[in-house]
Amino acid sequence: AQSVAQPEDQVNVAEGNPLTVKCTYSVSGNPYLFWYVQYPNRGLQFLLKYITGDNLVKGSYGFEAEFNKSQTSFHLKKPSALVSDSALYFCAVRELASGGSYIPTFGRGTSLIVHP
Amino acid sequence: KAGVTQTPRYLIKTRGQQVTLSCSPISGHRSVSWYQQTPGQGLQFLFEYFSETQRNKGNFPGRFSGRQFSNSRSEMNVSTLELGDSALYLCASSYGTGSNEQFFGPGTRLTVL
Repeated sequence: AQSVAQPEDQVNVAEGNPLTVKCTYSVSGNPYLFWYVQYPNRGLQFLLKYITGDNLVKGSYGFEAEFNKSQTSFHLKKPSALVSDSALYFCAVRELASGGSYIPTFGRGTSLIVHP
Repeated sequence: KAGVTQTPRYLIKTRGQQVTLSCSPISGHRSVSWYQQTPGQGLQFLFEYFSETQRNKGNFPGRFSGRQFSNSRSEMNVSTLELGDSALYLCASSYGTGSNEQFFGPGTRLTVL
């Protein structure tokens, strides 16, 4: 069965510094990987996804993520954090299951706090 | 384009009652998924519908059910409510399934007393 791990419940970073939110996954085949962000009192928003091809994926708001197949990781990064980036970040994986369906699994979320 | 809408936004029920939540996807999206979000369990997948057919189902009891209509609007129903069903229920739509990103609604906050 597929699984997603976000090993850090909370990440603290100073504004202007680079940030990394970690995600590792476990699947038996080739995954589709996603990052979503949830701002306070708002729904989840799509940031970026990896399907195939280039391992470095660029997304919304200056975020990017690197797919590392050997380490089964898909860490979210941004070169310079903003206070407005403070939110809850979710990593998700979808893997082709029997019957041709794709079951989504979300990580438990990482709270990113950017300090002024 | 209008986003995903969910009604009602807030709901208070008592144990044993049943509840129906509604979701209207983004125009043109044929896939609708439902999730339960709680502080303890995070985001748990309930089920996904595509063109009125249930394509995937998460690990939830049969009290949780759903359906999708020909206009892609979806409803989920929870019967015989339990205290543990208190959660934020999120609906997400996408053009297709698999590699397509999902667009989430604001959620319905269900409180079971």
